[in-house]
Amino acid sequence: GQNIDQPTEMTATEGAIVQINCTYQTSGFNGLFWYQQHAGEAPTFLSYNVLDGLEEKGRFSSFLSRSKGYSYLLLKELQMKDSASYLCAVGDSNYQLIWGAGTKLIIKP
Amino acid sequence: ETGVTQTPRHLVMGMTNKKSLKCEQHLGHNAMYWYKQSAKKPLELMFVYSLEERVENNSVPSRFSPECPNSSHLFLHLHTLQPEDSALYLCASSQGDITYNEQFFGPGTRLTVL
Repeated sequence: GQNIDQPTEMTATEGAIVQINCTYQTSGFNGLFWYQQHAGEAPTFLSYNVLDGLEEKGRFSSFLSRSKGYSYLLLKELQMKDSASYLCAVGDSNYQLIWGAGTKLIIKP
Repeated sequence: ETGVTQTPRHLVMGMTNKKSLKCEQHLGHNAMYWYKQSAKKPLELMFVYSLEERVENNSVPSRFSPECPNSSHLFLHLHTLQPEDSALYLCASSQGDITYNEQFFGPGTRLTVL
C-alpha cells in the first residue's frame, strides 16, 4: 500500500532550528510537496521537490532523496508564528496526491 | 474577493437535513477539489473537477454529491449524513495537475453532524 510517515508532534524553541522528516512509500514518484496549516486556517504551499537535493526559500528549506524515499523540511530562526501543522504530500505514478497526517509543530519562547 | 472562498464557515446539521457547501475560486484555475480533513488523519480527496469534468473517488458515500456549474464554482450537497461525517471540508483549486502544481485552499467549512 501507499504510505506517508511524519512525526505527529514536535516541540522547538523560538530562534532555534527544527527538522521535520517525511518518509514515503508510493507507487512511483512525481514530486513532493510541503504545506503549512495554521490552526483553523487553510493549508498554504511551502515547497515542491522533484529532484534530489536541497531547495532553499528564506528561513525554510526542503530536502529530497528519491532513492531513500525521504524528505525533510528545515525551519531556521524559528518564530512563534511558525507554530502550525506541516503536511507532506507525494504525487504517485497515477497522478494521485498522497498526503501524510501532518506534523504539529509547537514553538516555545 | 481573492483566492478561494468557502461558505458557510461553520455548519451544524441533523442527520435528516439537506445542506450545501459552496466554494468559489477567483484565480482562473481549471481544476477544483473537495477534501475532508479529520483530526490527526491525512487529507482525504473526495472529488476532483478538471475542466468542469468530474473525476470521482469511488469510496465517497452517495450522501455526498458534488456539483460544478462552471470553472469558478463548486458545491458539495449533503443529505442524510452520519455523525462520523463531522470534519473540516476544504475546497482547493489548481492550474493543471496537482501532482506538479501548487493547490490553493479555501479556509474550510467546519461541519458538525448531530
